[in-house]
Amino acid sequence: EAQVTQNPRYLITVTGKKLTVTCSQNMNHEYMSWYRQDPGLGLRQIYYSMNVEVTDKGDVPEGYKVSRKEKRNFPLILESPSPNQTSLYFCASTVDWSTDTQYFGPGTRLTVL
Amino acid sequence: LAKTTQPISMDSYEGQEVNITCSHNNIATNDYITWYQQFPSQGPRFIIQGYKTKVTNEVASLFIPADRKSSTLSLPRVSLSDTAVYYCLVGPKGFNKFYFGSGTKLNVKP
Repeated sequence: EAQVTQNPRYLITVTGKKLTVTCSQNMNHEYMSWYRQDPGLGLRQIYYSMNVEVTDKGDVPEGYKVSRKEKRNFPLILESPSPNQTSLYFCASTVDWSTDTQYFGPGTRLTVL
Repeated sequence: LAKTTQPISMDSYEGQEVNITCSHNNIATNDYITWYQQFPSQGPRFIIQGYKTKVTNEVASLFIPADRKSSTLSLPRVSLSDTAVYYCLVGPKGFNKFYFGSGTKLNVKP
């Protein structure tokens, strides 16, 4: 089944404790992206990747890192999480950068205490 | 990217046709209009995309007037399961950044 998976789905952590949220897609998509969703603010793009080893900032990249060492995986790294990063995070992928139809993962709900 | 304006929320009843309008006065010549649907606690799902006039698929229709400064997503005969947030996105194909905004929360009542 074609899908985007994220792990973990739920995470409660404390300020400053490094964490990684994994994202994987099995559709051989080139383009992958991370979003955060907060009440009243909609979805905001954090980082995106057009292909392996090619990443760039979205609208709200501060406090996040990403890497794209292989096509299927696009982990989101929070080196020193803070409470303002408490949010619902979505990973998405699409065939290539010329296509707008994104496929989203199920989401990761992160709470930073 | 062109800024979009949508109603914050709408109510409807089962079996009715629902029209959600999106305003995008600054749309550029090479911009497309794309709509996504998001259910609670799920990621958004692509519904439809268009450039001009009318586009229809098995889920919805998209109406775009000649000046393209607005667009209307039409959902025929909605059911309770259509309760969701609907996002209108405007931008050129191949643009790397996506702006979802706050969307329109559609509440379908029995």
